Amino acid sequence: DSGVTQTPKHLITATGQRVTLRCSPRSGDLSVYWYQQSLDQGLQFLIQYYNGEERAKGNILERFSAQQFPDLHSELNLSSLELGDSALYFCASSVQGQGNTEAFFGQGTRLTVV
Amino acid sequence: DQQVKQNSPSLSVQEGRISILNCDYTNSMFDYFLWYKKYPAEGPTFLISISSIKDKNEDGRFTVFLNKSAKHLSLHIVPSQPGDSAVYFCAASGTDTDKLIFGTGTRLQVFP
Repeated sequence: DSGVTQTPKHLITATGQRVTLRCSPRSGDLSVYWYQQSLDQGLQFLIQYYNGEERAKGNILERFSAQQFPDLHSELNLSSLELGDSALYFCASSVQGQGNTEAFFGQGTRLTVV
Repeated sequence: DQQVKQNSPSLSVQEGRISILNCDYTNSMFDYFLWYKKYPAEGPTFLISISSIKDKNEDGRFTVFLNKSAKHLSLHIVPSQPGDSAVYFCAASGTDTDKLIFGTGTRLQVFP
């Protein structure tokens, strides 16, 4: 158990809909990262928050947005969903928002868009 | 632009032998490298890391080697065990970036 909690574990929704994925970081971790893993692909970095502020952005679509709340949990919002958005979405957390530190991953949310 | 590359999608090794997983990177600003292991339906688990000031780091059966001039790192698992069968991801970060950049992964199968 990494200490990072993601909900829900599975999500099935229709095209055009909007969903929210939730992540609770490890106790004491200030940094939260979101990654997308499509079928048999690597982990694509989406976005990072540190202590409530956006720190780094990857190849995140404009239809996707995220935020980190004062209690440090984070939510990833995916809207106008397309079939190609079906993927595993992972959240990770680390103590600080700088390099030279390992991130710990949650179990992921499997999103299926039908 | 794939800054971290794992060119072997899969590797099959006999139990007890050495497994060598390779990773190349292109960004010279990367100075911290990590290996993660991932089982199906689970999140990646941190395995071992190495800073660019070192060329080797060892933790039990796992050793990571870094060749900065070649922008190459490798993970050695000795001896390999069936429970090591998983997908292994190489990742990198640097002082100019807070994010971990991952490779595409290598699926390791250790057979009896």
